[in-house]
Amino acid sequence: GAGVSQSPSNKVTEKGKDVELRCDPISGHTALYWYRQSLGQGLEFLIYFQGNSAPDKSGLPSDRFSAERTGGSVSTLTIQRTQQEDSAVYLCASSYEALNNYGYTFGSGTRLTVV
Amino acid sequence: AQSVTQPDIHITVSEGASLELRCNYSYGATPYLFWYVQSPGQGLQLLLKYFSGDTLVQGIKGFEAEFKRSQSSFNLRKPSVHWSDAAEYFCAVGPNTGFQKLVFGTGTRLLVSP
Repeated sequence: GAGVSQSPSNKVTEKGKDVELRCDPISGHTALYWYRQSLGQGLEFLIYFQGNSAPDKSGLPSDRFSAERTGGSVSTLTIQRTQQEDSAVYLCASSYEALNNYGYTFGSGTRLTVV
Repeated sequence: AQSVTQPDIHITVSEGASLELRCNYSYGATPYLFWYVQSPGQGLQLLLKYFSGDTLVQGIKGFEAEFKRSQSSFNLRKPSVHWSDAAEYFCAVGPNTGFQKLVFGTGTRLLVSP
């Protein structure tokens, strides 16, 4: 696609429920990244994919968080048993290669609110 | 540990005035440096990046940034601010080889007054 697409754009969920956030990267981009942006905070790295594998998942805050990528394209970030502190904007980005000189292209994010 | 400091949480500038947003980084090697802008409800857009060479880099929308190794700084500047520049600006640092995640600052929110 022309850009990085994320869905849904907004999600309100009840505490304890599971949620899935989707990211559709730019076609041909092999690297995909998930970041979290909480109110008043910078961007917090969650996980990075190269193809379908995740060489770095060090930023996932707990075992309630998981992510997968299939076909070297779409990625899903799943949060199980959501908590209020999970409320944030979840940003996805992709790049042509996993090299910083290509830069990231970000999606518009999914705003998650846990009530 | 890698870190990025943006000391100004908010800055207000009059339209037409000059702008400088500060960014200091801590990094063990020569980094790649980036500035991103985020408008309300939008994702982050790359303004400019520094990899090597000329320490003054030009970006989109009339922005520029200067890399000063001795000061570990990468400040963003614009000579004349427009109302449409009101947004949040993020500085980021990453390694210059292979992949490791970009580390972002906490951002500076720019307000533009008439």
